[in-house]
Amino acid sequence: QKEVEQNSGPLSVPEGAIASLNCTYSDRGSQSFFWYRQYSGKSPELIMFIYSNGDKEDGRFTAQLNKASQYVSLLIRDSQPSDSATYLCAVGRDYKLSFGAGTTVTVRA
Amino acid sequence: KAGVTQTPRYLIKTRGQQVTLSCSPISGHRSVSWYQQTPGQGLQFLFEYFSETQRNKGNFPGRFSGRQFSNSRSEMNVSTLELGDSALYLCASSYPGGNTEAFFGQGTRLTVV
Repeated sequence: QKEVEQNSGPLSVPEGAIASLNCTYSDRGSQSFFWYRQYSGKSPELIMFIYSNGDKEDGRFTAQLNKASQYVSLLIRDSQPSDSATYLCAVGRDYKLSFGAGTTVTVRA
Repeated sequence: KAGVTQTPRYLIKTRGQQVTLSCSPISGHRSVSWYQQTPGQGLQFLFEYFSETQRNKGNFPGRFSGRQFSNSRSEMNVSTLELGDSALYLCASSYPGGNTEAFFGQGTRLTVV
């Protein structure tokens, strides 16, 4: 079983719609949870982090964490063409981040 | 505030050689970690350093090593390069406490021929 699994994608959404990304993790001792965005040929950029159960909103992004279900999600509201990228879920424990394989999102104009 | 700086950006090396990559963290960040990114394996953790001490290490062979200096700058070394070591090597820096947010540099693209 992989440590971090994400929906395989690719995910195509029309401009203005909501993009929903999901991530599950296997280590119940995981302490911190992150979403990174990576454009083709670029390095990952941190867009959201969440440490406790519930929702966290930042602009058009909402992260949700459910530790009992070992599940993290990211919602992107009012999707824009500039949101087209690969989104990486990362889970932290003991000074180490474990990454999912990423979900590629394409926003259609 | 300057971001994480990695040098060089691109490298081409021959199989069997060794290579050293450098990372300067964001000012005030004292934790530095290294990751390898390949199309097949994705992003994989190599090691993490704080106060010149390695606190965690990933599942990579001993050919991969690293160190951190007193000014928090870090280097990683790969000896006896193999074709499979071709990858994007990413450095991330963060504040030292627990598992705080990590910010990545632009990476070093290593090609082994």
